[in-house]
Amino acid sequence: EVQLVESGGGLVQPGGSLRLSCAASGFTVSSNYMSWVRQAPGKGLEWVSVIYSGGSTYYADSVKGRFTISRDNSKNTLYLQMNSLRAEDTAVYYCARDMDSSGFDAFDIWGQGTMVTVSS
Amino acid sequence: AIRITQSPSSLSASTGDRVTITCRASQGISSYLAWYQQKPGKAPKLLIYAASTLQSGVPSRFSGSGSGTDFTLTISCLQSEDFATYYCQQYYSYPPFTFGPGTKVDIK
Repeated sequence: EVQLVESGGGLVQPGGSLRLSCAASGFTVSSNYMSWVRQAPGKGLEWVSVIYSGGSTYYADSVKGRFTISRDNSKNTLYLQMNSLRAEDTAVYYCARDMDSSGFDAFDIWGQGTMVTVSS
Repeated sequence: AIRITQSPSSLSASTGDRVTITCRASQGISSYLAWYQQKPGKAPKLLIYAASTLQSGVPSRFSGSGSGTDFTLTISCLQSEDFATYYCQQYYSYPPFTFGPGTKVDIK
C-alpha cells in the first residue's frame, strides 16, 4: 500500500527546534517530488517546502532560513528540521507526494499529519 | 507568486443539491489546477487534477472545468459524505505552490 506516515510533532518553546519525519511505503521518496504542507488551527493549507527528486530544495518565505527539508534514501523517509520556532508555526504538518515523478503535478498521497505546538 | 481566490468562502446546501465552487488565479495557469476535499481532523484528499481529470476512485458526481484563470468544481448531486471543506491549488508556477483559502460546504 502506498502511504506516508508522519511523526515527530509535539510541544516546543518559542526559539526551539523540532524534526519531523515522514516514512514512505509503497514507493520511493527519492524518485518523487515531496512537499511539506501545514495548516494552522482553523485555517487553510499553506505550502512549506519541497525537495525535488534531483535534490533541489525550496521554501516558503515564511520559513526560509529556519526550516530544512531533507530525505534519507536508505530509510525511504522525508524530514523537516524546524529551528527558531515561532508561535505562528503552530500547525498540523503534512507531507505529500507529487503524483508525477517529474514534478509539476498535484499531490496525490498525503500523510495523516503531525501537530506542532509552539508555546511557552 | 500566483495568488488564488475562491468563492464562496462557505455555503449551505441540502443533500441532492447541485453545488458549484469557483477558483480564480491572479494570472493564467493553463490547466495546472487541482481540487482537494478535506474533512475535519483528516488530511486533504485529491479529487481532481489538471483542472478536469477525476482522480481514481473519486465519484463521478464531482467534476471540474476551466483553464487560464477561472476554474469551477461542481458536485452534481450532493451526498452526506460531501460536507467538507474544498481547496483549489495551482501547480503551474512554483515554488511556491499556492492554495486557495477554501470553501466550507455545510448542511442547510
